Amino acid sequence: EVQLVESGGSLVQPGQSLRLSCAASGFTFNTYAMSWGRQAPGKGLEWVSGISGSGANTYYADSVTGRFTISRDESKNTLFLQMNSLRVEDTAVYYCAKSLSSYVTDGFDIWGQGTMVTVSP
Amino acid sequence: DIQMTQSPSSLSASVGDRVTITCRASQGINNYLAWYQQKPGKVPQLLIHAASTLLSGVPSRFSGSGSGTDFTLTISSLQPEDVATYYCQKYNSAPLTFGQGTRLEIK
Repeated sequence: EVQLVESGGSLVQPGQSLRLSCAASGFTFNTYAMSWGRQAPGKGLEWVSGISGSGANTYYADSVTGRFTISRDESKNTLFLQMNSLRVEDTAVYYCAKSLSSYVTDGFDIWGQGTMVTVSP
Repeated sequence: DIQMTQSPSSLSASVGDRVTITCRASQGINNYLAWYQQKPGKVPQLLIHAASTLLSGVPSRFSGSGSGTDFTLTISSLQPEDVATYYCQKYNSAPLTFGQGTRLEIK
């Protein structure tokens, strides 16, 4: 069964850092691009960042560029999102998602259940 | 950056109705468009990619069309289990922007 399981969400103060993880199973991890998306409470979906299947190419939304870093560990079949200088507006459920191909620029056919990040003074 | 605008923002229809949701890109994106369904309290699910390609397992009452800047998602005969928020997403290039969503309810 193809599965994505996120972890690492927490309550933090503005300016602090957090590292999210997404454990993948049931597919050949290094064949597919992966992305992080988020959804603030009661709001719509927002794409945050993506990384190609090879890991060579990374992409970010303007709202997180310079603060967030996406990476992947093929030996552990795990996707990461390092989030620094967190802001109140980063509060959301964070999802990891698998692309249909090795390209970030593709649809997302598998989503994890999400992990909640709350940034509050 | 390219903006994605969905209409309507919310929609109420009866079981058996034909429902159409539109998505407009501020610039041409060829057919690099996906549609997702998010049921209340659930994770988004991909319905359609490449504007009109139905994902395996998705009921055939769902269909997508369009290219360039204007796209539509159609449900040919609305079912109670279709109550959800629907999102379009462009993926021709980063950022992979979502539309603001269309909330679909049963009348």
